[in-house]
Amino acid sequence: EVQLVESGGGLVQPGGSLRLSCAASGFPFSSYSMHWVRQDPGKGLMWVSRIIRDGSATAYADSVKGRFTISRDNSRNTLYLQMNSLRAGDTAVYYCVRGLHGSGSYSDWGQGTLVTVSS
Amino acid sequence: DVVMTQTPLSSPVTLGQPASISCRSSQSLVHSDGNTYLSWLHQRPGQPPRLLIYKISNRFSGVPDRFSGSGAGTDFTLKISRVEAEDVGVYYCMQATHFPLTFGGGTKVEIK
Repeated sequence: EVQLVESGGGLVQPGGSLRLSCAASGFPFSSYSMHWVRQDPGKGLMWVSRIIRDGSATAYADSVKGRFTISRDNSRNTLYLQMNSLRAGDTAVYYCVRGLHGSGSYSDWGQGTLVTVSS
Repeated sequence: DVVMTQTPLSSPVTLGQPASISCRSSQSLVHSDGNTYLSWLHQRPGQPPRLLIYKISNRFSGVPDRFSGSGAGTDFTLKISRVEAEDVGVYYCMQATHFPLTFGGGTKVEIK
């Protein structure tokens, strides 16, 4: 069974940092691109970032570029999202998501971790 | 960015009756490789989204055949042939043809 378990969310002040982790199991982690998608109750779903299988290429939404860094450790089956210079607008549930080969879609989602940016 | 517009915003339906959700993109979703990367997701309250349909009309593993997808270019439709109680929640379309990947605003399906 595929499992994606996020952790690391919480309350942080504007300008602060957080590091999210996603522990993956039940599939060959190193064979899949991985993504972060966030959900703000007021604005729906937003793609945040993607990393390819070997970690050699990444991509970011314009709103987080230069502040967020996606990475992965294939030896630990873990995906990360380092979030710096956090803003109130980054408040959301962050989901770790597995890409479905050749589909342009996502086959599996974690339960999400809530990030709240507030003073 | 490609804007995905869903209608209606809310759809009260009677159990056993059909339901239909429309999704329109601000530009064609036909990729240079010939595929159209339009998917449909379903999110129940308190749960993460789950994949229903990918590449317009392909049902994901385990998805009941009462769900079907159709469309082309910029206009797409998700149909539920006979709504069941477990189908309540919010439905999203998403496109992955153009960077960045974008989602529709969601359509809430509820039972009358």
